[in-house]
Amino acid sequence: GNSVTQMEGPVTLSEEAFLTINCTYTATGYPSLFWYVQYPGEGLQLLLKATKADDKGSNKGFEATYRKETTSFHLEKGSVQVSDSAVYFCALRDNSGGYQKVTFGTGTKLQVIP
Amino acid sequence: KAGVTQTPRYLIKTRGQQVTLSCSPISGHRSVSWYQQTPGQGLQFLFEYFSETQRNKGNFPGRFSGRQFSNSRSEMNVSTLELGDSALYLCASSLPANTGELFFGEGSRLTVL
Repeated sequence: GNSVTQMEGPVTLSEEAFLTINCTYTATGYPSLFWYVQYPGEGLQLLLKATKADDKGSNKGFEATYRKETTSFHLEKGSVQVSDSAVYFCALRDNSGGYQKVTFGTGTKLQVIP
Repeated sequence: KAGVTQTPRYLIKTRGQQVTLSCSPISGHRSVSWYQQTPGQGLQFLFEYFSETQRNKGNFPGRFSGRQFSNSRSEMNVSTLELGDSALYLCASSLPANTGELFFGEGSRLTVL
């Protein structure tokens, strides 16, 4: 079956530090890949996505590149802010069927300190 | 455009009771998915509905059920509640284009005592 593995958290960084959150996946076929973010007390919201190999998703300074050869989709940001403190989820959707079943990683909590 | 609305936001039940949670998707979204979020298990897929039909179901016991109405609103029901059912239940809707992008509500936090 499909699965997503994320680095364990929490991750604590100082403001303006570089961020990397690792994500690898296992899937049959050619999935679409996503990063979702969950701020305290809220539901998840889409941060960025990539639908095919070598695509780069980007939003709000965050980037992730779909690497089929390493089955990875690592999230990066060059300079984090306190407002980036949240839980980040890597996810995939198997495109082989007409379903919206999205498989999520366990989430990585990021805390940015001033 | 209104987002996904889930009610109630918080509820407390006791073991053995049942609960019904409601989800109103974004206007025009016909697919509704439900997820259970717990600290230990993360986000786990419960089921997905499209045009009033359950299209996919996760690995949960039969005590968990759902339905979707003709206006795309969805409900999920948990019967004979157990302590382990305490969780944040998230509903997500998506576009008919089936892009895989999910729009989540803020969730219903269920506490079972």
